[in-house]
Amino acid sequence: DTAVSQTPKYLVTQMGNDKSIKCEQNLGHDTMYWYKQDSKKFLKIMFSYNNKELIINETVPNRFSPKSPDKAHLNLHINSLELGDSAVYFCASSQAVTGLSYEQYFGPGTRLTVT
Amino acid sequence: AQSVTQLDSQVPVFEEAPVELRCNYSSSVSVYLFWYVQYPNQGLQLLLKYLSGSTLVESINGFEAEFNKSQTSFHLRKPSVHISDTAEYFCAVIFHYGGSQGNLIFGKGTKLSVKP
Repeated sequence: DTAVSQTPKYLVTQMGNDKSIKCEQNLGHDTMYWYKQDSKKFLKIMFSYNNKELIINETVPNRFSPKSPDKAHLNLHINSLELGDSAVYFCASSQAVTGLSYEQYFGPGTRLTVT
Repeated sequence: AQSVTQLDSQVPVFEEAPVELRCNYSSSVSVYLFWYVQYPNQGLQLLLKYLSGSTLVESINGFEAEFNKSQTSFHLRKPSVHISDTAEYFCAVIFHYGGSQGNLIFGKGTKLSVKP
C-alpha cells in the first residue's frame, strides 16, 4: 500500500548512457513532481506535471525529460548522463493546485551514481 | 527572489534536551509552511504544516512550530528530544499570491544529531 513508489532505488551507470527512473502514486493525486537532492542534501524542484500542464524548470538541462503515461505515473528519462547528474532523485505527488491541501507526498528516492 | 533560510546546518544536542531548528523565509506574500523530516537513507516525510488558522501547529511525535508573520519565521521546536529524532529536517514554503501559487521551495536542511 505504498503511496509513492520509485524504481530503481539505486542506479549506477556510466557517462553518456541513457536511463529512466519510474514513479507511481496510488493516492489519486493530479499533480506529480521530480526533485533533485544534491550531495549537500539541497532539494530543488525539477518539474511539476498535472493533467493539463508540464511545468519545466528553466535550470534543468533538456537532457532531462519527464514522461507521464497517465496521471498515476511520472517517469524521468535522462539522456547522455554526466558526472554532475549524480544525486538522489525524489518523486512526489499532491492534490491539484486548486485543492485544499498542498501537502506533497514523497517517494523513497533513487540514488543515481554516474561513473 | 523567494528563498527559505535554515540558519543552522547542524544541531547537536543531548537526549532529553530541548531543541529549536530555525527557519526564515523571504517575501511578505502569503505562504504555506511545512517541515519535512528525512531519516537516513529514506525519503521525506511531512512532519507538520501551516496552511491557515492557529499559528501554532503540532506533530504527533511532540514537535511543534509557530508561524510568525512579522518575523517571517516558522521555527521548529521540541521540549525533549530522543535518539530516534536524529535526522535531517527541511523547512519548505509555498509562496502564493491571489489565485496562483508557486513551487515548494526548500531550505538547505538542518541535521539534528541527538547524543545519549
